[in-house]
Amino acid sequence: KNQVEQSPQSLIILEGKNCTLQCNYTVSPFSNLRWYKQDTGRGPVSLTIMTFSENTKSNGRYTATLDADTKQSSLHITASQLSDSASYICVVSDRGSTLGRLYFGRGTQLTVWP
Amino acid sequence: EADIYQTPRYLVIGTGKKITLECSQTMGHDKMYWYQQDPGMELHLIHYSYGVNSTEKGDLSSESTVSRIRTEHFPLTLESARPSHTSQYLCASSVEGGGTDTQYFGPGTRLTVL
Repeated sequence: KNQVEQSPQSLIILEGKNCTLQCNYTVSPFSNLRWYKQDTGRGPVSLTIMTFSENTKSNGRYTATLDADTKQSSLHITASQLSDSASYICVVSDRGSTLGRLYFGRGTQLTVWP
Repeated sequence: EADIYQTPRYLVIGTGKKITLECSQTMGHDKMYWYQQDPGMELHLIHYSYGVNSTEKGDLSSESTVSRIRTEHFPLTLESARPSHTSQYLCASSVEGGGTDTQYFGPGTRLTVL
């Protein structure tokens, strides 16, 4: 069964600290993996996308890694800010075509305290 | 910031009422989607469209219906709302569809059925 599991479910950190969110998937075949940020009461916004051959991708203070062999991805946030408080969703696609399906994780709820 | 809009943002309505959730995008995207999201849970695809006069049911069974008469407009209708329909509804659009490209999400409609 194709699944996307994220951990931890929730996380609280102090402003300025770093953190790492995890995503494990069983989706097969695999095409790409995206991380989205969803602010409370808003729709998700794409942060990064990685294909099979990419190991790491950065977007400002966000760095995503992918290990396609172990089917694991992580999202590292550096020097956290209050505005980083949001849900971070891992999304895996099984095909790089219009026939591809998206599999969503439940998200990690990150809270950054001052 | 994606140019995709949803109205209303919040709706509280009584059981048995007919409601229409509006979604519009100005990006000229052919592909549009409706997702249902409960708190702490993953997004579930309930409807999608690959162009004008094209609509398909998604992975999650839904009593709602959709129409696509214009490229930019993808409304979702519930003929008779029930408390089980209480949820957040997210509209999204993309260029290619499937697993190829990034979906852009609207801000969502929070529906409460009493």
